[in-house]
Amino acid sequence: AQSVSQHNHHVILSEAASLELGCNYSYGGTVNLFWYVQYPGQHLQLLLKYFSGDPLVKGIKGFEAEFIKSKFSFNLRKPSVQWSDTAEYFCAVNANTNAGKSTFGDGTTLTVKP
Amino acid sequence: NAGVTQTPKFQVLKTGQSMTLQCAQDMNHNSMYWYRQDPGMGLRLIYYSASEGTTDKGEVPNGYNVSRLNKREFSLRLESAAPSQTSVYFCASSARQVHEQYFGPGTRLTVT
Repeated sequence: AQSVSQHNHHVILSEAASLELGCNYSYGGTVNLFWYVQYPGQHLQLLLKYFSGDPLVKGIKGFEAEFIKSKFSFNLRKPSVQWSDTAEYFCAVNANTNAGKSTFGDGTTLTVKP
Repeated sequence: NAGVTQTPKFQVLKTGQSMTLQCAQDMNHNSMYWYRQDPGMGLRLIYYSASEGTTDKGEVPNGYNVSRLNKREFSLRLESAAPSQTSVYFCASSARQVHEQYFGPGTRLTVT
């Protein structure tokens, strides 16, 4: 069964600091990878996705993620965070051979101090 | 477009009561999902419907039933609510299963 591991449960940064959130998955086949963001009191929304092609994908609000197949990783990055980036971030993976069901990580809560 | 809508937004039930959570999407998506979100546990899939007319169990289906009423609507029923079902429930949809999902605003359910 596929699984997703997000190493950091809670990250606290000051504004303008750089961000990297780790995501590793366990599945040997072809996967599709996603990062979702949940702002306080809101529903999840897509930040970025990787299906194929360039392993460095760019999303909304200056976020990017890099797919490293050999490391089974899809880490999320942002060069300079803002207070408005305070949210919970979820990594998710699905695979065609798993009936396409998505598996979500436990989430990382990011707090950005002004 | 409204996207994915859910009703109700909040609900308090007593143990043993039943209720149905409603979900509808207007994006002509084929696949729909029900998740529960609990602190520190991320999102766990309860049931999903790959396409109209089909439903399948997810990771935590016990105590729940679903109905894919038509392409737009996917309801979740709790037949006999238990305190362990206190959670936030999210409905989601996607064009196809492997595509990104669009989430509703959630239903916060408390079972006392």
